[in-house]
Amino acid sequence: DAGVTQSPTHLIKTRGQQVTLRCSPKSGHDTVSWYQQALGQGPQFIFQYYEEEERQRGNFPDRFSGHQFPNYSSELNVNALLLGDSALYLCASSLSRRGPDTQYFGPGTRLTVL
Amino acid sequence: GIQVEQSPPDLILQEGANSTLRCNFSDSVNNLQWFHQNPWGQLINLFYIPSGTKQNGRLSATTVATERYSLLYISSSQTTDSGVYFCEGASGTYKYIFGTGTRLKVLA
Repeated sequence: DAGVTQSPTHLIKTRGQQVTLRCSPKSGHDTVSWYQQALGQGPQFIFQYYEEEERQRGNFPDRFSGHQFPNYSSELNVNALLLGDSALYLCASSLSRRGPDTQYFGPGTRLTVL
Repeated sequence: GIQVEQSPPDLILQEGANSTLRCNFSDSVNNLQWFHQNPWGQLINLFYIPSGTKQNGRLSATTVATERYSLLYISSSQTTDSGVYFCEGASGTYKYIFGTGTRLKVLA
């Protein structure tokens, strides 16, 4: 049973560019949440997707957008990259059908913006 | 917004020692979880514990939701326990907030 997977592992972009990160949830999970973790900090909640819709959002600008597909996988898009967007981006999956439940995290995508 | 404070921020232990990590919330939260982040950045779920007490081997956790805190106990610590420990709760139902973290180093 595969756990949560993310791609790519590492990514280098320049300021102003756009980036797309991908996440496949744990088998049987229907909910995907995205987090940004700057160096030395705790993860910050970006948003959560359930039933292909954004269900909840943290304090991130509209440059951060996402999508969930019918197979429950998800993408995180960041437009007009800033140096401050350099971070580890984490995806977590869970099962919402029975209500809030345990989250399982992927290994992350490390984004460097030059 | 809700603040999640963890203490202590840093902890150094000798192998075999016990420790207690604390997580305080400024307001009520739901879905409290504890995670261990290893040196490679992987977050491992330790407990889903919105209330009560759970145990898993050398680890146990207690959440007292009415008093807005949770405790993580590590007994007979091992070097592999090193890393950063985070608690996480949800404001409302699905707006997640991570704590400030406790960085643990266990010395052989």
